[in-house]
Amino acid sequence: DAGVTQSPTHLIKTRGQQVTLRCSPKSGHDTVSWYQQALGQGPQFIFQYYEEEERQRGNFPDRFSGHQFPNYSSELNVNALLLGDSALYLCASRRLAGVDTQYFGPGTRLTVL
Amino acid sequence: AQKVTQAQTEISVVEKEDVTLDCVYETRDTTYYLFWYKQPPSGELVFLIRRNSFDEQNEISGRYSWNFQKSTSSFNFTITASQVVDSAVYFCALSDVRKIQGAQKLVFGQGTRLTINP
Repeated sequence: DAGVTQSPTHLIKTRGQQVTLRCSPKSGHDTVSWYQQALGQGPQFIFQYYEEEERQRGNFPDRFSGHQFPNYSSELNVNALLLGDSALYLCASRRLAGVDTQYFGPGTRLTVL
Repeated sequence: AQKVTQAQTEISVVEKEDVTLDCVYETRDTTYYLFWYKQPPSGELVFLIRRNSFDEQNEISGRYSWNFQKSTSSFNFTITASQVVDSAVYFCALSDVRKIQGAQKLVFGQGTRLTINP
């Protein structure tokens, strides 16, 4: 039973560039959430997707956008990167009709220079 | 607004000692969920427990136990006879019971870095 997977593991970008991070949910899960975790901090909720629609959004600017595909996988896009976007980006999934527990992937470490 | 406070930034103990991680939360919701996650150096958040707000029974799972007290808005986590493998950052989190289909936002505390020394 495959867990949540994310790619790439690490990424280095420069200010102003754009980045796309990818997430495949745990088998049987249909809801995907994205979180940003700055060094030494707790994860902060970015947004959540279900049925290919954004269902809830945290306090993040429009530079952060996402997408969910028919196979439930998801992408997180960040435009016009800032130094402050450097963080661990975590993807979590759950099954809407199941228990209310989100399971996390290993994360993508983004460094913006 | 929902808020989770983990006042202990770092804890260091010697192996086999018992250790308690504190978590205090704020919410206006009458029904909600509380969680504990473990984050080892690899970075992945590992789910440990979920507790519903209407269930105040304490829970024990092996060396782990959780004390949920709604009266003090606390959900503390105790590791008995700690082991070096317990070293990690531990996060307490809060979420509402889904009001919007597909939506469940987790609000995390700042985390407690636990180091178990041999």
